[in-house]
Amino acid sequence: QSVLTQPPSASGTPGQRVTIPCSGGDSNIGSNTVNWYQHLPGTATKLLIYTNNQRPSGVPDRFSGSKSGTSASLAISGLQSEDEAAYYCAAWDSSLNVVVFGGGTKLTVL
Amino acid sequence: QVQLQESGPGLVKPSETLSLTCTVSGGSISTYYWSWIRQSPGKGLEWIGYIYYTGNTNYSPSLESRVTISLDKSKNQSSLKLFSVTAADTAVYYCARARFGVPSLRTSVYFDYWGQGTLVTVSS
Repeated sequence: QSVLTQPPSASGTPGQRVTIPCSGGDSNIGSNTVNWYQHLPGTATKLLIYTNNQRPSGVPDRFSGSKSGTSASLAISGLQSEDEAAYYCAAWDSSLNVVVFGGGTKLTVL
Repeated sequence: QVQLQESGPGLVKPSETLSLTCTVSGGSISTYYWSWIRQSPGKGLEWIGYIYYTGNTNYSPSLESRVTISLDKSKNQSSLKLFSVTAADTAVYYCARARFGVPSLRTSVYFDYWGQGTLVTVSS
């Protein structure tokens, strides 16, 4: 079981705004930055958000990240069919001295 | 565009050594950190470690006694060796380029390019 907690699934309709939460603790999200990744089967995992809320070049501004205390969230607005993928949060854990990941959230676009 | 491609045997016998290579194209392996991450069937992602182009490494404490990550700058490749494998090491192995939100602050690490991953099964 993963150190960071995410719901296994989420869904939304095209155009809708969806939020994916990620819960951790004081030693990871509470004291370090959070990153978000998108994975579609058969393709390379893509960095969506780094350092809590920064978007790499090329990532649409429909994707945004936020962090508060020991929780973080990824918001996707204007949902599109190509957003159907698995989303993972990650952060450094200062007690375990490793990068820890969430279990992933499978997003379905209805 | 930076691309990473993992390669290596898909089947390894218990107690033997798992060896994988990550070939980097579209950019130099120098001046960056290079990481390995794995995902066991039905389980979450697990960070294995990373190496800087200078050779400095940082490994997960749970794997440190069995793992070596190295670089071949002449071939623009990173390599992973995991010794004395068991069935629990069966996983999809990914290589990734590591960056830092705050330069050299390891707690701010993130991975900006990933390979597609390669499945390694440990079985006799």
